[in-house]
Amino acid sequence: DAGVTQSPTHLIKTRGQHVTLRCSPISGHKSVSWYQQVLGQGPQFIFQYYEKEERGRGNFPDRFSARQFPNYSSELNVNALLLGDSALYLCASSLSGYDSPLHFGNGTRLTVT
Amino acid sequence: AQSVTQPDIHITVSEGASLELRCNYSYGATPYLFWYVQSPGQGLQLLLKYFSGDTLVQGIKGFEAEFKRSQSSFNLRKPSVHWSDAAEYFCAVGSYSGNTPLVFGKGTRLSVIA
Repeated sequence: DAGVTQSPTHLIKTRGQHVTLRCSPISGHKSVSWYQQVLGQGPQFIFQYYEKEERGRGNFPDRFSARQFPNYSSELNVNALLLGDSALYLCASSLSGYDSPLHFGNGTRLTVT
Repeated sequence: AQSVTQPDIHITVSEGASLELRCNYSYGATPYLFWYVQSPGQGLQLLLKYFSGDTLVQGIKGFEAEFKRSQSSFNLRKPSVHWSDAAEYFCAVGSYSGNTPLVFGKGTRLSVIA
């Protein structure tokens, strides 16, 4: 069975640009969560979506947005990129909400120059 | 709000030696507890989880962890470490009620020497 897939794997952007990251969950999983992992730190929660609705949002600015599609795939959008947005962005899927174990993809490495 | 502390930033052990990685959590209600492992350039892989019941839980790759409510700890152990265990290990806490997201510790980097 395919795991969580994320695209692209690596991305280089310039300050002020916009970026879209994509995630396909494990088949049958209805929830997608996004985490940001800065080098040397643990993952920080950004969003969770369940059945196409936002269920939770972490302490991130409004430049960060996301959505979930009818097939349960998801996009994370970041506007007006800052150097500090450089990080590994992890997508995780789960069967339902926060009480289900998260299954992570390999992440998208975003570098902002 | 819940939080996780992993006191050891970096641990080095010899191959074949035993391992214990420490995790302390703070959460006012009954926690869900997890250990994940991350190899360089990879995502996180679930090693084991504790929801309820037996406080000693077995995971993949020969790992186990023990939940001690009185100490607010969930330490990860392995009796004999293999070179392939070198990676970053993250402890995470979630809510039993399922209404808050997983909160991760900052991780412990494990190095294995011959």
